[in-house]
Amino acid sequence: EVQLLESGGGLVQPGGSLRLSCAASGFTFSSNAMSWVRQAPGKGLEWVSAISGSGGSTYYADSVKGRFTISRDNSKNTLSLQLNSLRAEDTAVYYCVKFTAATGTRFFDYWGQGALVTVSS
Amino acid sequence: DIQLTQSPSFLSTSVGDRVTITCRASQGISSYLAWYQQKPGKAPKLLIYGASTLQSGVPSRFSGSGSGTEFTLTISSLQPEDFATYYCQQLNSYPLTFGGGTKVEIK
Repeated sequence: EVQLLESGGGLVQPGGSLRLSCAASGFTFSSNAMSWVRQAPGKGLEWVSAISGSGGSTYYADSVKGRFTISRDNSKNTLSLQLNSLRAEDTAVYYCVKFTAATGTRFFDYWGQGALVTVSS
Repeated sequence: DIQLTQSPSFLSTSVGDRVTITCRASQGISSYLAWYQQKPGKAPKLLIYGASTLQSGVPSRFSGSGSGTEFTLTISSLQPEDFATYYCQQLNSYPLTFGGGTKVEIK
């Protein structure tokens, strides 16, 4: 059974930093791309970042580029998102997502339960 | 960036009704489109990928169609558990983007 368990959320002041982690199990982690998606309170879904299975390729939304860093440790089946220079508009539930990207098909097939990040003074 | 426009944004409907949600892309995305269902306080759930392929375990009353720039999610006969918010997503190119969502509520 695929499981994705986020941790590291919490309250942080504007300008501060936070690191989210996602522990993955139930699939071959190193063979799968992974992604982060966020959802501000009462709002829709926003894609944040993605990383290839090897970790050699990373992608970011313009809204977080230069402030957030995605990474992975395939030896520990762990995905991370480092959030720096946080702003009030970064307040959201952050979802860790398994990203299936095969020839001719791509989709987000498994989602974690989400970690709430609140940016406020 | 590819923009996705979902319509309607809100739908008030009844159990047993046929529901159709449209997703239009600002440029061609082939069939790299997925649909998700989200219930309050829960993570989204994959329904359809490749524009028309039903994810394993999803009831057959859900179907998807389209390619290029216009896509449709259809629920053939709405069930009580289908009242939720639905999102489309394009996975053709980065940045990946979602539609604004369609909230399906009980009339």
